[in-house]
Amino acid sequence: GQSLEQPSEVTAVEGAIVQINCTYQTSGFYGLSWYQQHDGGAPTFLSYNALDGLEETGRFSSFLSRSDSYGYLLLQELQMKDSASYFCAVSLTMNRDDKIIFGKGTRLHILP
Amino acid sequence: GAVVSQHPSRVICKSGTSVKIECRSLDFQATTMFWYRQFPKQSLMLMATSNEGSKATYEQGVEKDKFLINHASLTLSTLTVTSAHPEDSSFYICSANRGGGTEAFFGQGTRLTVV
Repeated sequence: GQSLEQPSEVTAVEGAIVQINCTYQTSGFYGLSWYQQHDGGAPTFLSYNALDGLEETGRFSSFLSRSDSYGYLLLQELQMKDSASYFCAVSLTMNRDDKIIFGKGTRLHILP
Repeated sequence: GAVVSQHPSRVICKSGTSVKIECRSLDFQATTMFWYRQFPKQSLMLMATSNEGSKATYEQGVEKDKFLINHASLTLSTLTVTSAHPEDSSFYICSANRGGGTEAFFGQGTRLTVV
């Protein structure tokens, strides 16, 4: 089966830095991506890693270690609007017709 | 702008009736689309993979006769919830992958309430 593990909830303070971890056990692996979902909305794409290392996009960074089957999303200078659920997801192949496997999501609570 | 459009965003229907939800890819052709169901504060649950020109592939435990999927063109997939019951009330979301399958684009979601 396919398995992605991430914490169910994380709490952090406005202005701080938070890291959301994701470990995976899947039948294949092409890349790891991250999505943000606000309550009542649809998920939106944040970042993608196919190779080991850190990808930076503004306040958000994502890291991947293929040998450890591990990745994380790093959010800096937290803002109240960052309160949302964050999903890690694995692309099993490069074929866009293949489903992407999603983790159960991490609810991020931001305290003022 | 949005690359996948889903309609309607909200629907309330009476128990026993059927509801159709549309999912369109706006600026690319999607031979495959995915339908998810999500309960409040829960994860995305993949229901089925919609395949253009062929039968959908349903995940284990999903009733194919209750959740009818039709993928009639390269830009449109529909999900019909047949004989809806209150327990079918949920948030339904579609998605399609563009490019090399590394990024999923989601529709806006449909909040279904069965009364």
